[in-house]
Amino acid sequence: NAGVTQTPKFQVLKTGQSMTLQCAQDMNHNSMYWYRQDPGMGLRLIYYSASEGTTDKGEVPNGYNVSRLNKREFSLRLESAAPSQTSVYFCASTRKGGVEQFFGPGTRLTVL
Amino acid sequence: AQKITQTQPGMFVQEKEAVTLDCTYDTSDQSYGLFWYKQPSSGEMIFLIYQGSYDEQNATEGRYSLNFQKARKSANLVISASQLGDSAMYFCAMRGNFGNEKLTFGTGTRLTIIP
Repeated sequence: NAGVTQTPKFQVLKTGQSMTLQCAQDMNHNSMYWYRQDPGMGLRLIYYSASEGTTDKGEVPNGYNVSRLNKREFSLRLESAAPSQTSVYFCASTRKGGVEQFFGPGTRLTVL
Repeated sequence: AQKITQTQPGMFVQEKEAVTLDCTYDTSDQSYGLFWYKQPSSGEMIFLIYQGSYDEQNATEGRYSLNFQKARKSANLVISASQLGDSAMYFCAMRGNFGNEKLTFGTGTRLTIIP
């Protein structure tokens, strides 16, 4: 089991560029999440998907879109990157009724 | 809305001593869960311990225990016999009613173990 995988690990963008962060889990989990981690602010929820075919906004959704491609994959898209989106992005998943959220290794994104 | 407060930005503890990391929370949900995660310098998020709001006993996992005081809305993490490998960021988090699995995190405490 690879658990939760994220690609890429690092990315540098210029302001206005777009990109998609990929996340996949092989644990047959129903729910998947995208968080961002900024210094001094802990992790904040961007979007989540309670099940395949559904997505919903979290605490800080502005500037992002998501796609739950299938049960395994949940992608996060930045359509027009801004320096304020410089952050570490974590994907997580959990099974229905489960306790623990399993986190991916994170993607460190820098927007110049 | 849920809120987690961690008031200790950083702590220094001598190796082999016990350490308590503070966490207070606020929620209007009747049923909720409290978590602690560890984030070492390598960056990954490691689940440590979970406490359900209706659990009568404090959760324990090896050297970790969660001191849950419901009336005071606190969920402190206690690490016994600290080790150098315990040096990391520690985050308290909570989720709401069953079926609402979104986590709200605190700002974290950086723990440094001194040899």
